Amino acid sequence: DARVTQTPRHKVTEMGQEVTMRCQPILGHNTVFWYRQTMMQGLELLAYFRNRAPLDDSGMPKDRFSAEMPDATLATLKIQPSEPRDSAVYFCASGLVRGGRVSYEQYFGPGTRLTVT
Amino acid sequence: KQEVTQIPAALSVPEGENLVLNCSFTDSAIYNLQWFRQDPGKGLTSLLLIQSSQREQTSGRLNASLDKSSGRSTLYIAASQPGDSATYLCAVHSGGGADGLTFGKGTHLIIQP
Repeated sequence: DARVTQTPRHKVTEMGQEVTMRCQPILGHNTVFWYRQTMMQGLELLAYFRNRAPLDDSGMPKDRFSAEMPDATLATLKIQPSEPRDSAVYFCASGLVRGGRVSYEQYFGPGTRLTVT
Repeated sequence: KQEVTQIPAALSVPEGENLVLNCSFTDSAIYNLQWFRQDPGKGLTSLLLIQSSQREQTSGRLNASLDKSSGRSTLYIAASQPGDSATYLCAVHSGGGADGLTFGKGTHLIIQP
């Protein structure tokens, strides 16, 4: 049963601390997304990668957020330093873009619930 | 910029009723539209994906339709059950080189036993 996994599932940290969230996309998927969900804004795209290359991170606060894909099986989202306004659920999703097709389905992980106090 | 709106924001109906959830989007240049289900504190489960060239998709008691020209989609749930209680999210995959999904705020559905 192929699925996207995320760790940790919950994280409570103090303001100013570094937070790292990890995602393992579905094996063979070549596109990985990071989304953030808050009550006020709903679900928003932060960044995404294709074949490990970053394609768009315009949704991410550049001064404190960074996203990387060290290898095809791991994506990371780092916040340094964290702030209370970063409290949200962070979702990773993956999909497979085949050949010239532009339409594909995205599969979501269970999310990381981050609380910054 | 694509915007997605879902109406109603919340809905409570007795078990057994058929119901319709609505989704509208501002830019009709989409690749596909996905309906998701989200249970409290959980992730997103994909229910149906409609390609831009399709008019509808069905899965069990769920039927989703797409009218791309008018920027609308509906999710029809037949013979609702208490287990259908969840938040339903509509998301569009737009063109223009941006691959991320644009989500609506969701419809919070409660099915009363």
